[in-house]
Amino acid sequence: AQSVTQPDIHITVSEGASLELRCNYSYGATPYLFWYVQSPGQGLQLLLKYFSGDTLVQGIKGFEAEFKRSQSSFNLRKPSVHWSDAAEYFCAVDNYGQNFVFGPGTRLSVLP
Amino acid sequence: DTGVSQNPRHKITKRGQNVTFRCDPISEHNRLYWYRQTLGQGPEFLTYFQNEAQLEKSRLLSDRFSAERPKGSFSTLEIQRTEQGDSAMYLCASSLASTGEETQYFGPGTRLLVL
Repeated sequence: AQSVTQPDIHITVSEGASLELRCNYSYGATPYLFWYVQSPGQGLQLLLKYFSGDTLVQGIKGFEAEFKRSQSSFNLRKPSVHWSDAAEYFCAVDNYGQNFVFGPGTRLSVLP
Repeated sequence: DTGVSQNPRHKITKRGQNVTFRCDPISEHNRLYWYRQTLGQGPEFLTYFQNEAQLEKSRLLSDRFSAERPKGSFSTLEIQRTEQGDSAMYLCASSLASTGEETQYFGPGTRLLVL
């Protein structure tokens, strides 16, 4: 079965520092991959997506992610974190066009 | 485009009562999904519709759960005889499935608390 792991349950960074959130997937075909962000009590907002082509994808709010097939990874990065980025981040893979499989999430805290 | 909307946003009920949630997708989207999210976890797939047809149901969707999308537009999710374990956030998403490169857009969710 398809699965998504996010090894870091909680990450704390200082405002202005760089950020990398890890995502690994187990999938039997070329994956479609997504990153969503969820603020407390809210739904999920799409940050970026990868379908094919350039393995470095740009998203909203200054985020980017790189697809590495050899490592089965799709890590999310941001060069300089803002206090408003504090939220829960979810990586997801499209399950053969039927539904999305989500990782358990990484909670990001930002220190002033 | 007003996005995906869900009502109510919050629901508190007593164990054994029935509850119904509504989801209005983005207007031109032909697919609609329901997910359940418990505290500290990622969303888990429950079921999805393509137009009015319910195409897939997760094993998480017990007999007490039923979903409909009667005219291929809005959808309802009903939980009968609620149990405390049903307490969760119920998320709806919609997408336009045409080329296979599908993006799901989520609503704000309905948070259910069963006492």
